[in-house]
Amino acid sequence: KAGVTQTPRYLIKTRGQQVTLSCSPISGHRSVSWYQQTPGQGLQFLFEYFSETQRNKGNFPGRFSGRQFSNSRSEMNVSTLELGDSALYLCASSLGRGLNEKLFFGSGTQLSVL
Amino acid sequence: AQSVTQLGSHVSVSEGALVLLRCNYSSSVPPYLFWYVQYPNQGLQLLLKYTTGATLVKGINGFEAEFKKSETSFHLTKPSAHMSDAAEYFCAVSPYNQGGKLIFGQGTELSVKP
Repeated sequence: KAGVTQTPRYLIKTRGQQVTLSCSPISGHRSVSWYQQTPGQGLQFLFEYFSETQRNKGNFPGRFSGRQFSNSRSEMNVSTLELGDSALYLCASSLGRGLNEKLFFGSGTQLSVL
Repeated sequence: AQSVTQLGSHVSVSEGALVLLRCNYSSSVPPYLFWYVQYPNQGLQLLLKYTTGATLVKGINGFEAEFKKSETSFHLTKPSAHMSDAAEYFCAVSPYNQGGKLIFGQGTELSVKP
């Protein structure tokens, strides 16, 4: 079974641009969560989607948004990019939303904002 | 609010020596606790988790962790380090009733000397 797939692997953008990152969960998984990883702030929760609905949101500005499609694939979008948005963005999928669910992480998209 | 503190951003051990990575949590309700490992340029992989029941939890690759409520700790150990254990390790807590959201510690980078 294929793991969580994130595309693209690397992205370089300039300030003010917008970017869309994609995540394909493991087949059969219906929950997708997104995390931002930076050296300074560590791993921070962005949002979680389940059955095409955002179920939980972290403490990020409205420039960060996401969506989930009927096949559970998810995208996140960052508008008006800032230098501080440079980070590794990780996607994780799980079968459901229970506390006991195991999260499977993708390898991430490394975003550099110049 | 729940939080996780990992003591020591860098830990170095010799091959064959005991590995001890420290994690303390803050939670007003019984927590679900996790340890994840991240190898360079990869996503996170679950090592082990504590939900309920036995307080000594065994994970993959010979790692184990003990939940100590009185000390609010969930330290990760491995009796004998291997070169392949060199990676970054994250302790995380799952907030009650918040699905796929995890709150991570800042991480501990483990180096293994030959």
